[in-house]
Amino acid sequence: EIVLTQSPATLSLSPGERATLSCRASQSVSSFLAWYQQKPGQAPRLLIYDASNRATGIPARFSGSGSGTDFTLTISSLEPEDFAVYYCQQRSNWPLLTFGGGTKVEIK
Amino acid sequence: QVQLVESGGGVVQPGGALRLSCAASGFTFSSYGMHWVRQAPGKGLEWVACIRYDATNKYYSDSVKGRFTISRDNSKNTLYLQMNSLRAEDTAVYYCAKDRILVTGDFDYWGQGTLVTVSS
Repeated sequence: EIVLTQSPATLSLSPGERATLSCRASQSVSSFLAWYQQKPGQAPRLLIYDASNRATGIPARFSGSGSGTDFTLTISSLEPEDFAVYYCQQRSNWPLLTFGGGTKVEIK
Repeated sequence: QVQLVESGGGVVQPGGALRLSCAASGFTFSSYGMHWVRQAPGKGLEWVACIRYDATNKYYSDSVKGRFTISRDNSKNTLYLQMNSLRAEDTAVYYCAKDRILVTGDFDYWGQGTLVTVSS
C-alpha cells in the first residue's frame, strides 16, 4: 500500500495569504496524484489531477506541482471560501487507491 | 449536469447487512468506472471499492474484501454496495464517486453521501 503523508496537519492563515500544502508518498507515484477540497458537511471536490492539472471550473489561484514522492498544492491568495480540509490521493497503484490524512486550512 | 444521489444508509447492528444505492444522471453512466469512498466521523477519506464501466472487474480494499460487494446496473444508471457482516468500524458516510475519465482512479464528481451507523 502506498502511504501518503500530508503536512502540516493544520495551517492557520489569513485571507489574502499564500497557502502551501505538502503531500509525500511512501514510494513514487509518478504524476498520478490528485488534490481535493472538502468543506464541513459536503462531499470532496476535485481541484487538481495528475499533479498539476486544474479540474474544470477550479480558479487559477489553485496550483499543483511535484512528481515522484513529493507534491505541493499552492493557493496563491486565500479567499474566505478556501478555508477547508484538503486531501491528496494517489492512483499510481490502481486499483488500490489511497488518500492522505488531510490538511486543515483555518482562519488565523 | 452530473448528479449522484446515494440512498440506503441507516442504523444496523453488528453482523448485520445493508445495501447502498447510487442513482446517476447527467452523463453516460455505462462509460465510466465508479467507486465507493467512505469517511468515518471526524476522520479522513478511505477508498472502499470500484467497478469498471462494464462490470467486468471489481476491486476492494483489504478492510472490506469478502464482506462487501460492489455492483452496477447500467440499464438503471445505478451503482450498488452490498455490505454484509458489518462491524462498528464500518460506521461512516459512504460516498459514490465517478471516475474522471473511463477508469482513471480519480474522481471528478461525488454524491452527497449516506451515513451508515453500525451499533447495537
